[in-house]
Amino acid sequence: GQQLNQSPQSMFIQEGEDVSMNCTSSSIFNTWLWYKQDPGEGPVLLIALYKAGELTSNGRLTAQFGITRKDSFLNISASIPSDVGIYFCAGQDYGGATNKLIFGTGTLLAVQP
Amino acid sequence: GAGVSQSPRYKVAKRGQDVALRCDPISGHVSLFWYQQALGQGPEFLTYFQNEAQLDKSGLPSDRFFAERPEGSVSTLKIQRTQQEDSAVYLCASSLGGASGFEQYFGPGTRLTVT
Repeated sequence: GQQLNQSPQSMFIQEGEDVSMNCTSSSIFNTWLWYKQDPGEGPVLLIALYKAGELTSNGRLTAQFGITRKDSFLNISASIPSDVGIYFCAGQDYGGATNKLIFGTGTLLAVQP
Repeated sequence: GAGVSQSPRYKVAKRGQDVALRCDPISGHVSLFWYQQALGQGPEFLTYFQNEAQLDKSGLPSDRFFAERPEGSVSTLKIQRTQQEDSAVYLCASSLGGASGFEQYFGPGTRLTVT
């Protein structure tokens, strides 16, 4: 099935460092969402973006909806050990009968104390 | 309030057995989605319900997969004659629906292993 291009595939950083990851698509989306998934759990919603160019923060997390509507990025500032997990972007096109999400390939984040 | 719940959390089935996976969405959420997540991959869409109506089943991989939501709340995903390639985590998500309810909230998933 279709998956969005997400990079980097993995990151290994020291506690306190900032992190940046991005997601690109060949299709336009009306909504971008960012999720975090811990082992054995379902994805947890971090941030939702609804307008091209929108910049939204949630604590140490900041995400932007690209102007072309084909990309988005997520920044995490001052990382801490509990930031460890897999981060997924997801695009949503609600112009049709369904609001299904198309997910990225994921970014594995490891934080060393 | 309670989030999305799924049961069982783990299911082991012998090839050829039928399985049924249950999803309890967040109370009041109109929209319900099923996704399949293979190891090391992002979730992939299977099917979508708005209340009791199944509006999109384009992601179901074969006619062995069947989903229902008869009363517009609890949903069941059934897989008949399971195959090894069905082994995956099955995630359920719900959202408010409507013009301002696009954010999807996921349950913990059911890990299905077919031996």
